[in-house]
Amino acid sequence: QKEVEQNSGPLSVPEGAIASLNCTYSDRGSQSFFWYRQYSGKSPELIMFIYSNGDKEDGRFTAQLNKASQYVSLLIRDSQPSDSATYLCAVSSSGNTPLVFGKGTRLSVIA
Amino acid sequence: DAGITQSPRHKVTETGTPVTLRCHQTENHRYMYWYRQDPGHGLRLIHYSYGVKDTDKGEVSDGYSVSRSKTEDFLLTLESATSSQTSVYFCAISGPPGGGDNEQFFGPGTRLTVL
Repeated sequence: QKEVEQNSGPLSVPEGAIASLNCTYSDRGSQSFFWYRQYSGKSPELIMFIYSNGDKEDGRFTAQLNKASQYVSLLIRDSQPSDSATYLCAVSSSGNTPLVFGKGTRLSVIA
Repeated sequence: DAGITQSPRHKVTETGTPVTLRCHQTENHRYMYWYRQDPGHGLRLIHYSYGVKDTDKGEVSDGYSVSRSKTEDFLLTLESATSSQTSVYFCAISGPPGGGDNEQFFGPGTRLTVL
């Protein structure tokens, strides 16, 4: 059974701080890694994806991947109250394999 | 929004009745998926499709069937609804145009209540 683990939170950070969200996965053959943001009552929204070891930056978001440690993280710089949401980590082992989702981490940014 | 609609958006039904949920996409994506989302369980894959008439089971497929007779529509049927199928159902798509095979985009969801 392929598993993706996330701390459920809530993770509380003050406005302007860096939020760090973490995810581990069990399938060492995983190739593709995704972060989704989900506001309460809404559908998941893709915000980042990463395929290679290292960092990938997009605006205030940085995804970090370490395949040797089976670990992927999402950093949100200059956190805003509008970043308050649940963040879902998802993993796929190949181009045609459905994603396996973690249960999500709830982030609360305090103004 | 990747041109995905779901219908109905809300439904209340009774135990034992059949229910069909529809996912419609307008951008010719190859892959389509049905998930359910429940507190404490996260998103779980029910069924997915990799082409017209090509479908496969996911993690929680018991009690559900699917059909894809044309590229744009993916139907999820609860053959005889039970209270345990009360959930929020999301459709997702992936595959070009506009993204890779794995980059999934979600529809707005259907909230189903089985009494």
